Amino acid sequence: QKEVEQNSGPLSVPEGAIASLNCTYSDRGSQSFFWYRQYSGKSPELIMFIYSNGDKEDGRFTAQLNKASQYVSLLIRDSQPSDSATYLCAVKHGSSASKIIFGSGTRLSIRP
Amino acid sequence: KAGVTQTPRYLIKTRGQQVTLSCSPISGHRSVSWYQQTPGQGLQFLFEYFSETQRNKGNFPGRFSGRQFSNSRSEMNVSTLELGDSALYLCASSPGPTGLYEQYFGPGTRLTVT
Repeated sequence: QKEVEQNSGPLSVPEGAIASLNCTYSDRGSQSFFWYRQYSGKSPELIMFIYSNGDKEDGRFTAQLNKASQYVSLLIRDSQPSDSATYLCAVKHGSSASKIIFGSGTRLSIRP
Repeated sequence: KAGVTQTPRYLIKTRGQQVTLSCSPISGHRSVSWYQQTPGQGLQFLFEYFSETQRNKGNFPGRFSGRQFSNSRSEMNVSTLELGDSALYLCASSPGPTGLYEQYFGPGTRLTVT
């Protein structure tokens, strides 16, 4: 079992709709969760981070964390063609000495 | 505030050679992490430095090494290059230890080993 799992996609969503990206993790001790967006040929760009159970909203983006079920999701409202990219989920265990583990990413395509 | 810078951006080396990559973090950031990204393996953690000390290391052979200087700039070195080392090498900086703070990535160095 991979430590951080994401559906590789591609996930195709019509423009203006809500895109929902999911990520599950195996380590119950994980404490920090991050979502990155990566355009083709570019480096990852931090979109959101979340540490507590529940929802965290930032503009069109909402991160949702459920530690009991060990999943974290990213919702993108009013999807735009510019949102088409690969979205990487990253998770860190609570130990200060542990490293951040990245999922393999979900390719999102917003169709006009 | 300037972002993370990495040099060089592109590099072509021959198998068996060694290479040094450089990373300058965002001003004021003290933590630097290095990652290797390939199409097949995704983004894999190499090591993390905080205040000139290696805090963590990924599952890479000893040919991969790094260091951090007192100004927080970091270098990574790969000796005896292999074809499989061809990848995008990304540096990420953070105000403090990663996990407690968010990371910001540089543009990367594209290494091609022939």
